[in-house]
Amino acid sequence: SAVISQKPSRDICQRGTSLTIQCQVDSQVTMMFWYRQQPGQSLTLIATANQGSEATYESGFVIDKFPISRPNLTFSTLTVSNMSPEDSSIYLCSASNRGNGEQYFGPGTRLTVT
Amino acid sequence: AQSVAQPEDQVNVAEGNPLTVKCTYSVSGNPYLFWYVQYPNRGLQFLLKYITGDNLVKGSYGFEAEFNKSQTSFHLKKPSALVSDSALYFCAVRDALSAGGYNKLIFGAGTRLAVHP
Repeated sequence: SAVISQKPSRDICQRGTSLTIQCQVDSQVTMMFWYRQQPGQSLTLIATANQGSEATYESGFVIDKFPISRPNLTFSTLTVSNMSPEDSSIYLCSASNRGNGEQYFGPGTRLTVT
Repeated sequence: AQSVAQPEDQVNVAEGNPLTVKCTYSVSGNPYLFWYVQYPNRGLQFLLKYITGDNLVKGSYGFEAEFNKSQTSFHLKKPSALVSDSALYFCAVRDALSAGGYNKLIFGAGTRLAVHP
């Protein structure tokens, strides 16, 4: 399994600003994913990030709002741009090397927008 | 359409009793099924998976799950619950229709397990 860390663990931001969340994996992985989760709720996939290609976004999520970088096989960032209170959520990254879909998750970033 | 259902929002169990958290699925082709657990203020932790083979899969922390193809179910079980098992549990299935082989997961809504002393 992979060990995944995220920074920051939490942040409180003002509306209209942007926050970049970092995700670091302790080994090289093929695929990385970014999710959003309201506390106590299920996960919603934002996008899939593969090294060397543009991220693939799910319906309802766009690159201008959630730009993603994947500069190498162990690191990815998600930026939440021009934030509003509706962006308050937990953001999780995950990583996968296996074609069967098995993923390992970071601890999450709890974002509050005021 | 591919989907995962967890019919119970919450399951309450007394410590020492067996527990079951239910999951049913609908997928194209052979299902790849997963269970994850989330403790408060933590990320998801992988518990177990079913890809192929024995229908009874054993995982972490004494949990196991039974794959039932005819009932399209993958219920999570534990013979004797602990208070420390109290958490949010998610069932997930691989999205076999993922474009480009990205192997996305489809998650259920989650079931909150409360184990009482």
